[in-house]
Amino acid sequence: QKEVEQDPGPLSVPEGAIVSLNCTYSNSAFQYFMWYRQYSRKGPELLMYTYSSGNKEDGRFTAQVDKSSKYISLFIRDSQPSDSATYLCAMSAGVGSRGSTLGRLYFGRGTQLTVWP
Amino acid sequence: DAGITQSPRYKITETGRQVTLMCHQTWSHSYMFWYRQDLGHGLRLIYYSAAADITDKGEVPDGYVVSRSKTENFPLTLESATRSQTSVYFCASGPGASGGPYQFFGPGTRLTVL
Repeated sequence: QKEVEQDPGPLSVPEGAIVSLNCTYSNSAFQYFMWYRQYSRKGPELLMYTYSSGNKEDGRFTAQVDKSSKYISLFIRDSQPSDSATYLCAMSAGVGSRGSTLGRLYFGRGTQLTVWP
Repeated sequence: DAGITQSPRYKITETGRQVTLMCHQTWSHSYMFWYRQDLGHGLRLIYYSAAADITDKGEVPDGYVVSRSKTENFPLTLESATRSQTSVYFCASGPGASGGPYQFFGPGTRLTVL
């Protein structure tokens, strides 16, 4: 079993819909949680970054972390065709310092999202 | 310009040849990483480095060699390329303790091994 599980989709929604993307994980040491967006033939770009449990909102995007359930979510409100991309969740056990191995990220496989006009 | 760059962006080589992929970052980040991305597998960590002269294996290190003599550079070498190493390779860097565990990715190198 992978440490991070993510449904690969594909997910197809109409413009304006609310999109919910999710990941589950098994390692209770994870405390930093990230969402990356990857457009076709591009590198992943950091979208949201949260620490521990709770919610974080940035414009149309909301990230939620439920550590008790080992479950994280990304919500996209008023989805746009420009949101069409693959979304990857990532998580880490610690910040890491020089010589430390804590700086690794563990990624989900990504969910492919298409928002059609 | 600040950022992370990879070269070459596209590479075609033949089985058995040695290939080196370059990665350069201008943020002075402590951490640097090499991933490969394949359909059905997602991002898989090949090697990472927590600082200059400190490297460690990731999930799929076999057939790859890395070095990090300078903070800003982290080259990845395929010693004897095989068809199974055809993939998209991403380099990433992150601040670690000075800023957080998040990583910033380069644009990728598309490698084809014939």
